[in-house]
This record gives sequence, C-alpha cells and structure tokens, in this order.
Amino acid sequence: QQPVQSPQAVILREGEDAVINCSSSKALYSVHWYRQKHGEAPVFLMILLKGGEQKGHEKISASFNEKKQQSSLYLTASQLSYSGTYFCGTERGNAGNMLTFGGGTRLMVKP
Amino acid sequence: EAQVTQNPRYLITVTGKKLTVTCSQNMNHEYMSWYRQDPGLGLRQIYYSMNVEVTDKGDVPEGYKVSRKEKRNFPLILESPSPNQTSLYFCASSLAPSPGGGEQFFGPGTRLTVL
Repeated sequence: QQPVQSPQAVILREGEDAVINCSSSKALYSVHWYRQKHGEAPVFLMILLKGGEQKGHEKISASFNEKKQQSSLYLTASQLSYSGTYFCGTERGNAGNMLTFGGGTRLMVKP
Repeated sequence: EAQVTQNPRYLITVTGKKLTVTCSQNMNHEYMSWYRQDPGLGLRQIYYSMNVEVTDKGDVPEGYKVSRKEKRNFPLILESPSPNQTSLYFCASSLAPSPGGGEQFFGPGTRLTVL
C-alpha cells in the first residue's frame, strides 16, 4: 500500500515553516524524500533509515519514527524556491530499492 | 554530464499499437526503475532492475514489459497500449540499493497519450 501523506496541499508565506507527514501501515526500512517542481522530474532530498534518525538539507530536515512507521519533513523559513510537490517514498526491506511513493503534498510559497 | 535520458518525451498513439520508451543512463548505475505518475496517485513503480538480466515487478506491472540487456539501458515496452496507460512515465537509476546508493536520479519524463 502507498504511504499516506498529509496535508495534501499547503500555502505559505515566505519565511513561514511547514511540516509534511508520511505514514505507512507497514514496517519500514527507510524513507526517502523527493521534491518535484512543475513540469520537471523529481529531485532527491534525503534518505532516512530506521532508528529515529534525523537529517538535514539546508533548511529542510526530516525525522523517521520506525515504531510509528512515520516520517516528517520540516521546512523552516520557507523560500520561494521550496514550492513544488513533495513525495515520500517508503522501502519495506533492503530488497532492491523497491520504493512505494505517497500521493504527494503540494507546497506553494508566496512572497 | 551525468544524466538519465528518455525518448520520446511526448507520444500520442492509438490503442493496440506496440511502442517502446527508451531509457539510458551514463552513470554506470546498477539499479534502474520505471514509474508512472498520475494526478493524486503520486509515483507508482512499474518494474525495476537490480542489474543486467535481473528485473522484477513493481506495484503496477500489468500491461508492461521491460528488458535489461545492457547496464545503461532499460526500455519500457507496451505491447498493446490501452487508454488507461495514458500517463507521465519516469525512468530512474541509482548506484545501488538503499541505503548506500539509494538516491534515485530521474529522467525528464515521457508523456504518453493512448487514444
């Protein structure tokens, strides 16, 4: 099953913060985050492994709670360039990078 | 320049007419994958390949075939396309399975319309 992302869409003003959540009903090995701008291909942001690891990428960070099978992506002090659709991809086992992506969260940052 | 290329970028065809979408990567990646993207459904994996001659089904393999005869190429074949295969298709590659090589590099996409 696909992981469930929430919210489905969010509108921010520049400088505001946002959190995007990703939940799975299955035990997870890792969670991947990608951003896709309109008309472009998805671009990798980060991978989190089970163990509650938190990673950062500029002002974007993420956490992974393996017990709850959830991951959250944190965007702080958002910039116009953060606009796009964010996808989480979950991996249920270390068996060949078989990713199952969520439906996406559309983020729009306004001036 | 390291990249994943797909051809064609746009294709309009008719039901039942066999077609192939090519995918090539120049990064010597072992792992390649095909996804389709539909509104509200995100990216769904069609097939993936761990290495030459090693392929496996993803979540939505019905109606598709793949082959991996060379490391750099991973074509997607629709032997008898139907309108429900109208979609945006992405090819992706990564150095190795997660976690070490898990970052996937996506091609530019192929927009397919089946009439």
